[in-house]
Amino acid sequence: AQSVTQLGSHVSVSEGALVLLRCNYSSSVPPYLFWYVQYPNQGLQLLLKYTSAATLVKGINGFEAEFKKSETSFHLTKPSAHMSDAAEYFCAVNGGSNYKLTFGKGTLLTVNP
Amino acid sequence: EAGVAQSPRYKIIEKRQSVAFWCNPISGHATLYWYQQILGQGPKLLIQFQNNGVVDDSQLPKDRFSAERLKGVDSTLKIQPAKLEDSAVYLCASSLDKGQYYEQYFGPGTRLTVT
Repeated sequence: AQSVTQLGSHVSVSEGALVLLRCNYSSSVPPYLFWYVQYPNQGLQLLLKYTSAATLVKGINGFEAEFKKSETSFHLTKPSAHMSDAAEYFCAVNGGSNYKLTFGKGTLLTVNP
Repeated sequence: EAGVAQSPRYKIIEKRQSVAFWCNPISGHATLYWYQQILGQGPKLLIQFQNNGVVDDSQLPKDRFSAERLKGVDSTLKIQPAKLEDSAVYLCASSLDKGQYYEQYFGPGTRLTVT
């Protein structure tokens, strides 16, 4: 079985501050890992994905994530938050025998001016 | 290229009524998914199609939910009869093929409210 745990259902940062959204996973096979963003009343948009190549993955809008196998983590970071980053972020793992995408519960990011 | 289309965007029904959602995937995508996203939770896979065949429907409540993908393109998801706990956003996604490597593209979703 595979699972995803996102630590912190709500993270609040000031504009210009570092964004850190935490994700831990479990998977019985080498996983592919994803971060998606969801703006209000919209579907999910892929930010970045890890596919067993480089452990540091760069995505859109200045986000990046580092795969750490020893810690089973895939935390999402951005050096400087922008107001437009306010949204809900979902970490997901695709692994296991049936390669089904399993999502975490999400982290709501608010950015204060 | 055009994205995944879904309709309607919003639907309000009373419990015990029936409802249907429609999804048109990205052209050429063989794999289609329906997810249920309850408020405060991540999306949960309900059913996965490969062309017009079902790959995984293990989490579909088959006593009330049904889905089809005739001709391997468009898909409909139906709930009959609806319960209060079915209130959620129903997301459709598609990918070029099934498997770990292929990215899933999501539609805007249909927000269902059951009263």
